[in-house]
Amino acid sequence: NAGVTQTPKFRVLKTGQSMTLLCAQDMNHEYMYWYRQDPGMGLRLIHYSVGEGTTAKGEVPDGYNVSRLKKQNFLLGLESAAPSQTSVYFCASSWGDFGVDIQYFGAGTRLSVL
Amino acid sequence: EDQVTQSPEALRLQEGESSSLNCSYTVSGLRGLFWYRQDPGKGPEFLFTLYSAGEEKEKERLKATLTKKESFLHITAPKPEDSATYLCAVGGSGTYKYIFGTGTRLKVLA
Repeated sequence: NAGVTQTPKFRVLKTGQSMTLLCAQDMNHEYMYWYRQDPGMGLRLIHYSVGEGTTAKGEVPDGYNVSRLKKQNFLLGLESAAPSQTSVYFCASSWGDFGVDIQYFGAGTRLSVL
Repeated sequence: EDQVTQSPEALRLQEGESSSLNCSYTVSGLRGLFWYRQDPGKGPEFLFTLYSAGEEKEKERLKATLTKKESFLHITAPKPEDSATYLCAVGGSGTYKYIFGTGTRLKVLA
């Protein structure tokens, strides 16, 4: 049971570089999410998707873009990385409305922007 | 303003020393309250969901309870393997509102 898989696990970028984080789930979940986790702060929602082909902004969307071309995949892009984007990024998925349903998380991507 | 506050920030217990973690919340229209466990270097792992005041759920040494303003995670006779960060999250009404607390770091000493 793979569940939610994130790649890569670690990445170091220079300011201004771009990258894409990939999230894949094998549970046929409709909803998918991207969070960032910073010391002393709770998990904060960046973007989310309620189904294939849909995306929406969360609490901290600036500097990030997302795409959900296939139901099982949710991509998070950083077009021009900044040191403030140094964080641990988590992807999650759920069957339905995330106010009610359990979210299943990946193992995270640790990103450093120098 | 919707808010989730967890206390204490950190807790050290001796093996077998029972205690409780607190999650206080302010949210418009609670739809669900979630407890997760997070081990270092890993993603949060689901423990419990509570939907209405008075509800209780148990799993091994853990028991979660819910009132209209807060939730408790009671740990009975903890073991070192219970050491982790415990996260609380609430789902509110409105546009996909889901708020995490900052967590309680629990260390159980043998």
